[in-house]
Amino acid sequence: AQKITQTQPGMFVQEKEAVTLDCTYDTSDQSYGLFWYKQPSSGEMIFLIYQGSYDEQNATEGRYSLNFQKARKSANLVISASQLGDSAMYFCAMRERDSSYKLIFGSGTRLLVRP
Amino acid sequence: GAVVSQHPSWVICKSGTSVKIECRSLDFQATTMFWYRQFPKQSLMLMATSNEGSKATYEQGVEKDKFLINHASLTLSTLTVTSAHPEDSSFYICSAREPEGSYNEQFFGPGTRLTVL
Repeated sequence: AQKITQTQPGMFVQEKEAVTLDCTYDTSDQSYGLFWYKQPSSGEMIFLIYQGSYDEQNATEGRYSLNFQKARKSANLVISASQLGDSAMYFCAMRERDSSYKLIFGSGTRLLVRP
Repeated sequence: GAVVSQHPSWVICKSGTSVKIECRSLDFQATTMFWYRQFPKQSLMLMATSNEGSKATYEQGVEKDKFLINHASLTLSTLTVTSAHPEDSSFYICSAREPEGSYNEQFFGPGTRLTVL
């Protein structure tokens, strides 16, 4: 079974609007971490935001926020006020407690911001 | 933030040759480094975990004799693709873990694009 599922292969959003990228995960661990990365066409992986399983509040980093719903095992990324430079691939990833710190990535969502 | 470099950024080689890719942590010591492979329009797949001073741990399905990993120092890990073939053409990305870092412990290199003719 897939551990990280991103069901949206591609998304469009109008510039200046908000967009939500979905991510669901599967784990039996109580302690885990969830990450979102952005990968522009250059290929570099840019860290965006982190949510720990024990964090009670949703993580926020500037225009990025993570809608963490633990019972549903979802960790959706919300990008507010989209910019043209936000066009990229976005990956959700999970690190389980006893995983030697390795990350498991979802299949990614390609976001295109329309002017 | 911490910086990880990779060299070369791209390489083209003939089938049957071996290619070495370096991953360096520039401003921190990385006890653990990770090697990922990414095919076009696909996700990152972990190939192996590289620990300084010990043998790498390979993920299921990854040939350890094909993808040789050496983590000889706290700032350098190398991936050697031996006897490369066209199906090995891919984007290879490393990441390094900073032991004393915060939750964002893995820092990614810029990647190496390998094309095998």
